[in-house]
Amino acid sequence: GQQVMQIPQYQHVQEGEDFTTYCNSSTTLSNIQWYKQRPGGHPVFLIQLVKSGEVKKQKRLTFQFGEAKKNSSLHITATQTTDVGTYFCAGEKTSYDKVIFGPGTSLSVIP
Amino acid sequence: KAGVTQTPRYLIKTRGQQVTLSCSPISGHRSVSWYQQTPGQGLQFLFEYFSETQRNKGNFPGRFSGRQFSNSRSEMNVSTLELGDSALYLCASRAGTDYGYTFGSGTRLTVV
Repeated sequence: GQQVMQIPQYQHVQEGEDFTTYCNSSTTLSNIQWYKQRPGGHPVFLIQLVKSGEVKKQKRLTFQFGEAKKNSSLHITATQTTDVGTYFCAGEKTSYDKVIFGPGTSLSVIP
Repeated sequence: KAGVTQTPRYLIKTRGQQVTLSCSPISGHRSVSWYQQTPGQGLQFLFEYFSETQRNKGNFPGRFSGRQFSNSRSEMNVSTLELGDSALYLCASRAGTDYGYTFGSGTRLTVV
């Protein structure tokens, strides 16, 4: 069945360093979504990408959707302690299919 | 605008019992999905309901079931509870396939 993988599983960075997490799907996706879950909280929607090669920015966060629509990345510039949490990617094969989540990348930021 | 509301927040049940969890989506959202979150398995898809119909189903045993009512509120039921069912159960709703999910705070189920 459809699988979504993410690397790395964990990342520890010094505050101010950059961070990137990568997401790969075993199948072509109609869209990719990214979520952030703070410790003890629930996932919060960040963004959805739908077009091949799409790049979107939200302040210090940059999201990319691969040309083949099978991979994506999230890059955070100059991390802050408020960026701590687990970042999940999620995708669906078609618009009405189930949304499958990757295992997440847990980010720790050392002040 | 109220968010996604899940009740109860915490539950402790004994093996073999059954449990019903409730979810009220954001007003106007007709799509409701349920996920099981555990430290080792991440977010596992249970099922999705749209306009009272189950649209998608994950790879969980038949002990896990759900339904959606005409007001879009949803319930999930787990029968014959096992220790491995201990998890955070998250409900999420969205306005349509062009939108991301809004998650509730979850129901933390502990089976003893």
